Amino acid sequence: IVMTQSPDTLSVSPGERATLSCRASQSVNSDLAWYQQKPGQVPRLLIYGASTRATGVPARFTGSGSGTEFTLTISSLQSEDFAVYYCQRYNKWPLVFGGGTKVEIK
Amino acid sequence: EAQLLESGGGLVQPGGSLRLSCAASGFIFSNYAMIWVRQAPGKGLEWVSAIRESGSGTYYADSVKGRFTISRDNYENTLFLEMNSLRVEDTAVYYCAQKLPADWYFHLWGRGTLVTVSS
Repeated sequence: IVMTQSPDTLSVSPGERATLSCRASQSVNSDLAWYQQKPGQVPRLLIYGASTRATGVPARFTGSGSGTEFTLTISSLQSEDFAVYYCQRYNKWPLVFGGGTKVEIK
Repeated sequence: EAQLLESGGGLVQPGGSLRLSCAASGFIFSNYAMIWVRQAPGKGLEWVSAIRESGSGTYYADSVKGRFTISRDNYENTLFLEMNSLRVEDTAVYYCAQKLPADWYFHLWGRGTLVTVSS
């Protein structure tokens, strides 16, 4: 199973909405997680089960989708949200991460 | 506070071997499955290997199968990754991470250890 994220880079102004896509080559049901990684830092779990926010994740992060099409929406970008975002499917082996989407300041 | 601390990385020649360790603290290590994930310089995340709580089940990415071995010592609260026949393309920061109880996604990560394979 291949996880394809788009776009590779998303340029967004602070306060604007960002919409990130993750597509699976086969259905992963809702077994999809999202991570945020800032430069020099370790990945941070944001979303699991396609739409459940992890502990401490702000409400501006919303995950949606099922099957093969998933979206991570950041409703109003804050300065601390500029980072690379990865999706990861876990419905079966092997575990697979998407290639990542970099959210940069416009 | 739950923590993971990797060690054992370094510079090794192609064809060489290295053993990574991940020391766990602040939680009951034997209750959690664990994984290794790597990240080549400037690249994305790649899952490498996983091991169940008791060590009875292990899983590998095709890219490392037959060359890497994951293991754990639940008495010493330590996860290991034995890496043999190393290739230039194995160069990466290697992270260990703790599986959350419900399923194979990961909340607790170590800081990583850099493995460089070069002649």
